[in-house]
Amino acid sequence: DAGVIQSPRHEVTEMGQEVTLRCKPISGHNSLFWYRQTMMRGLELLIYFNNNVPIDDSGMPEDRFSAKMPNASFSTLKIQPSEPRDSAVYFCASRTDGYSEQFFGPGTRLTVL
Amino acid sequence: DQQVKQNSPSLSVQEGRISILNCDYTNSMFDYFLWYKKYPAEGPTFLISISSIKDKNEDGRFTVFLNKSAKHLSLHIVPSQPGDSAVYFCAASVGYGNKLVFGAGTILRVKS
Repeated sequence: DAGVIQSPRHEVTEMGQEVTLRCKPISGHNSLFWYRQTMMRGLELLIYFNNNVPIDDSGMPEDRFSAKMPNASFSTLKIQPSEPRDSAVYFCASRTDGYSEQFFGPGTRLTVL
Repeated sequence: DQQVKQNSPSLSVQEGRISILNCDYTNSMFDYFLWYKKYPAEGPTFLISISSIKDKNEDGRFTVFLNKSAKHLSLHIVPSQPGDSAVYFCAASVGYGNKLVFGAGTILRVKS
């Protein structure tokens, strides 16, 4: 059974470019989470969706960040324009309603030069 | 302001000994706590959890202790094995099944 799938695994881009990160949650899971991991702040929740609807986006750092979930099997996190301080590992996680445990993808390591 | 704090960035332990990882929280509304383990180049994986109605939960070599009055929890690993070397994240939520707030993580190195 496939876990959470994220692509790309690594992304190197230049400041000012648009970056799109992709996530496919585990089939049947109806909540999806985007996290950012940095040395300074650890794992921060950026946004989460329930049944494809954004529920809490209070962790999204600024308007340069946006996330969508057009259907139950796909979500994107977009950064436009990207800045060097956005360099981090971005994780997607999913879970089923009624359970606390979240299942994480392998992450996307983003480097903005 | 971080609501979940792991004040030790790293911990080094000899194989076979006990590893104790600590976590403090500031939000008294948190009532469900989890520990995740993360290996390099992988996502975090769930390890063990505890509800605030308990003060201890055990699963094999892993035991989590909760001290609600001190707003403190700890993860004990006995005996520690080299394969336990990883980053350990503490997480908390208000209510079971709600969003998780994570700490910054502690790097555990188990030396053989």
